[in-house]
Amino acid sequence: TQLLEQSPQFLSIQEGENLTVYCNSSSVFSSLQWYRQEPGEGPVLLVTVVTGGEVKKLKRLTFQFGDARKDSSLHITAAQTGDTGLYLCAGDTSGTYKYIFGTGTRLKVLA
Amino acid sequence: NAGVTQTPKFQVLKTGQSMTLQCAQDMNHEYMSWYRQDPGMGLRLIHYSVGAGITDQGEVPNGYNVSRSTTEDFPLRLLSAAPSQTSVYFCASRGMNTEAFFGQGTRLTVV
Repeated sequence: TQLLEQSPQFLSIQEGENLTVYCNSSSVFSSLQWYRQEPGEGPVLLVTVVTGGEVKKLKRLTFQFGDARKDSSLHITAAQTGDTGLYLCAGDTSGTYKYIFGTGTRLKVLA
Repeated sequence: NAGVTQTPKFQVLKTGQSMTLQCAQDMNHEYMSWYRQDPGMGLRLIHYSVGAGITDQGEVPNGYNVSRSTTEDFPLRLLSAAPSQTSVYFCASRGMNTEAFFGQGTRLTVV
């Protein structure tokens, strides 16, 4: 059973465009993380959010944790070709560091 | 600074064969996990450990065994490989308040 659903599954956009990726669940998470994965590599952590309503910014990336801590979004402003990759959200439902991953969003930014 | 080291990087098994995927970390992290990654499925948790001598099942544990005799090592055993276990396997470790670090993955094909 996949607790975390991400949308869209695939996204192909032109350089300079904005985009938002969503991570949704019916479960409450004590914390939620976003990762980016390049081909042939393991995922690399981008951010961790722990408080409902929290917003974190990482250069052109903005992450938001839902008020009820059941969902999150990742917004990229003025996408660049270097943003291309697989974006994964992961949530911890029990505070035990047993992280469950979402289905992933594969982003391709075209020059 | 090795981080998380997985071996082997690639492996081809015949149905019914057994093998062990190795995972070692040099960061003295308490938490270690094994995931498998299949197309369109994100990462699914197989087994995890919160410390030496303690392991627990994740989302998809059937067909896999683990043990954690030391803090550093967390091997994953396939007792009788099946084609459904063809996947990319990732090991991850994290400390109490640190991000998760992933190995580079093991690409396993069962024929």
